[in-house]
Amino acid sequence: QQQVKQSPQSLIVQKGGISIINCAYENTAFDYFPWYQQFPGKGPALLIAIRPDVSEKKEGRFTISFNKSAKQFSLHIMDSQPGDSATYFCAASGLEDDKIIFGKGTRLHILP
Amino acid sequence: KAGVTQTPRYLIKTRGQQVTLSCSPISGHRSVSWYQQTPGQGLQFLFEYFSETQRNKGNFPGRFSGRQFSNSRSEMNVSTLELGDSALYLCASSLVIWGEGTEAFFGQGTRLTVV
Repeated sequence: QQQVKQSPQSLIVQKGGISIINCAYENTAFDYFPWYQQFPGKGPALLIAIRPDVSEKKEGRFTISFNKSAKQFSLHIMDSQPGDSATYFCAASGLEDDKIIFGKGTRLHILP
Repeated sequence: KAGVTQTPRYLIKTRGQQVTLSCSPISGHRSVSWYQQTPGQGLQFLFEYFSETQRNKGNFPGRFSGRQFSNSRSEMNVSTLELGDSALYLCASSLVIWGEGTEAFFGQGTRLTVV
């Protein structure tokens, strides 16, 4: 009930390509879905977040797509750049249990 | 505005010892959450404090404990260290309770190695 399943574990994309990371959750009480980006030696930093009342949110090259009925959400990175190489975590939380649950992370490598 | 400060950055301890890690949140932030990060398990929730009260606790043994002071600074303590406790310990601060959708900011973490 409390899990957030993230895939793939690792991803290699050519520069300029689209990177796609997927997450699935089980707890229908979750109502906040953030994505975090982590560079080596740093703590995670909030990248973008979505609530289930919208199906898509875009910020620059980063887009979250949200499918409430399937309980899935994904991160799309358009025109991927070598500087995007990092580990990405999806997460979920809800008011009834206000801790944030993280996926296990995706290590993204963008080839120059 | 200063970010979240965690001290120390690196720590090496022996099995059976205890350790205390410190987290100073962003000024004005009242919520501090602690996470354990390992390559195999990702980010695992330890506990969250808000206004000196523990709001939530993850599935960790009682050897892991924490507290928050009136100035919102937080400490976590691990007693009787085991090899499996080797990890990056991250704290995150937010203005209010994190689960309510407010942005949280992570510190750089404390890398604990147990030998």
